[in-house]
Amino acid sequence: RKEVEQDPGPFNVPEGATVAFNCTYSNSASQSFFWYRQDCRKEPKLLMSVYSSGNEDGRFTAQLNRASQYISLLIRDSKLSDSATYLCVVNRPEDYKLSFGAGTTVTVRA
Amino acid sequence: DTAVSQTPKYLVTQMGNDKSIKCEQNLGHDTMYWYKQDSKKFLKIMFSYNNKELIINETVPNRFSPKSPDKAHLNLHINSLELGDSAVYFCASSQGDTGVYGYTFGSGTRLTVV
Repeated sequence: RKEVEQDPGPFNVPEGATVAFNCTYSNSASQSFFWYRQDCRKEPKLLMSVYSSGNEDGRFTAQLNRASQYISLLIRDSKLSDSATYLCVVNRPEDYKLSFGAGTTVTVRA
Repeated sequence: DTAVSQTPKYLVTQMGNDKSIKCEQNLGHDTMYWYKQDSKKFLKIMFSYNNKELIINETVPNRFSPKSPDKAHLNLHINSLELGDSAVYFCASSQGDTGVYGYTFGSGTRLTVV
């Protein structure tokens, strides 16, 4: 089983729509969780950390479900500029390094 | 100011050659990493290094060797390049080695072996 698994998508949504997607992680002892954004042919950039109680950053909401070992990202009022690949990132308890999912592609259309 | 910078941005080379990729960070971070992103888009850690230890992913061939002249630099040297080495290589850095604050990535080096 992969350490981090994501639905690759693509999720094609119109501007203004809400889009949400999950990722699952295999190690129940993981403690740090993040969403990164990667634009085509660019480096990954930290979008937001994910906290146990869930957290928002503007139009972005992240949730953590430890019991089911998944995290989610919800994007409200989608903008064209939200088109990107969103990487789910989880730390590996055995060495504290970050493990990346293969990403979920979101395309926002006008 | 670029926080994590890599050079070159593109590298095209023939099989069997030896090449190096340079990485520098000006964030004052004490841990640096090399990741490989293949055609399937998975980011896989190759090495992590801080002033205490070098951790090597055991799946990385020993043709790859990291070299760190100081804590702001972590270069990647590759011997006897193979076609399968073609990928995008990302350097990253973090404060501490637990990843709790996430990583900052360089813009990547797209390596093509022909």
